[in-house]
Amino acid sequence: EDQVTQSPEALRLQEGESSSLNCSYTVSGLRGLFWYRQDPGKGPEFLFTLYSAGEEKEKERLKATLTKKESFLHITAPKPEDSATYLCAVGHNAGNMLTFGGGTRLMVKP
Amino acid sequence: SQTIHQWPATLVQPVGSPLSLECTVEGTSNPNLYWYRQAAGRGLQLLFYSVGIGQISSEVPQNLSASRPQDRQFILSSKKLLLSDSGFYLCAWSRGRRAEAFFGQGTRLTVV
Repeated sequence: EDQVTQSPEALRLQEGESSSLNCSYTVSGLRGLFWYRQDPGKGPEFLFTLYSAGEEKEKERLKATLTKKESFLHITAPKPEDSATYLCAVGHNAGNMLTFGGGTRLMVKP
Repeated sequence: SQTIHQWPATLVQPVGSPLSLECTVEGTSNPNLYWYRQAAGRGLQLLFYSVGIGQISSEVPQNLSASRPQDRQFILSSKKLLLSDSGFYLCAWSRGRRAEAFFGQGTRLTVV
């Protein structure tokens, strides 16, 4: 059974304080690892897809990396507008569904 | 560009009443369509997915059903709502199995 665990559950940062969010996964045949941002009361917003170990993607202050067991979302010099819940999900080769982690709630204080 | 519409945004329904949530996608054809539910403070749980008209797969046995009457329309229904059906319901689409999913803005359902 696919499993996705995100840590920490919540993270408080000062503006400009860089950090990383972790997504550990167990999946039989990874077809993709997906990162989303979700604001309160809204649907998740797609950020990145990573397909193979060693792959990296960047967007503004965010950088996602992937190994065979985990993915990291690095946030460089975060701003208050980066405050949101970040969700990680994996898809496996044999099915159509995505398995989501519980998310990391990021709060960036000015 | 592709867009996904989901309505209503919020809904308060009494126990035992029926439910119909609708989702439509524009700007693409033959999308994979999904219904997810998100409980407070928890991750997303896949309820149903569809790879084509009339093709519905259920991931979790429950009080809900789904239908896909048209290529870009996906409907979530219930004949009699339970208190446990309360939650945040999200519709999503993708181009294929390897592609990322794009989500609607969600429906907050409260069963009272």
